[in-house]
Amino acid sequence: DVKVTQSSRYLVKRTGEKVFLECVQDMDHENMFWYRQDPGLGLRLIYFSYDVKMKEKGDIPEGYSVSREKKERFSLILESASTNQTSMYLCASSTGGPSGANVLTFGAGSRLTVL
Amino acid sequence: GQNIDQPTEMTATEGAIVQINCTYQTSGFNGLFWYQQHAGEAPTFLSYNVLDGLEEKGRFSSFLSRSKGYSYLLLKELQMKDSASYLCAVRDSNYQLIWGAGTKLIIKP
Repeated sequence: DVKVTQSSRYLVKRTGEKVFLECVQDMDHENMFWYRQDPGLGLRLIYFSYDVKMKEKGDIPEGYSVSREKKERFSLILESASTNQTSMYLCASSTGGPSGANVLTFGAGSRLTVL
Repeated sequence: GQNIDQPTEMTATEGAIVQINCTYQTSGFNGLFWYQQHAGEAPTFLSYNVLDGLEEKGRFSSFLSRSKGYSYLLLKELQMKDSASYLCAVRDSNYQLIWGAGTKLIIKP
């Protein structure tokens, strides 16, 4: 069964801490995405990547950075966590190149609480 | 601005039919997606429409009218396991997905 795996389902961090969210996919997908999901809002795109070492800003990149050193792994980094980054973080992957994203396969999510 | 509207919550009875609407205003259109998300789980793909008309897949169907900026997801013979949130997303002219806030569907026995 093809899979997108997020390393942590639940995390509790303190304000100012550095946070790493890891995502690994086993489908050899070119595209990988990080979204956050908050109640009453649609999914919001933080960053995406169409290839190794490539990254593109999404709609809400402020306060976040990403790393894609290997095709299967896409990491989201919060350099200095703040309470307004408390959220559910969803990683996703898809086939296709920069000209069009195809059906997304999502990970189960990482629920981050920043105190 | 770009906007996707769908009802926040709907309630239906087991065995019945329910229609979840989605209206959109986006910069261009390159397809509309429906995803299902059970509480605490990952969204999973249900359907994709890029041309006008109805796409049927078992108990689920999805309809698209591009001229009206409108889609609906039709669920027949509802089962308790259909209790979930249903997310509508439109791919715009830049091939970026714009997401609705989701419709929480509650199925009652």
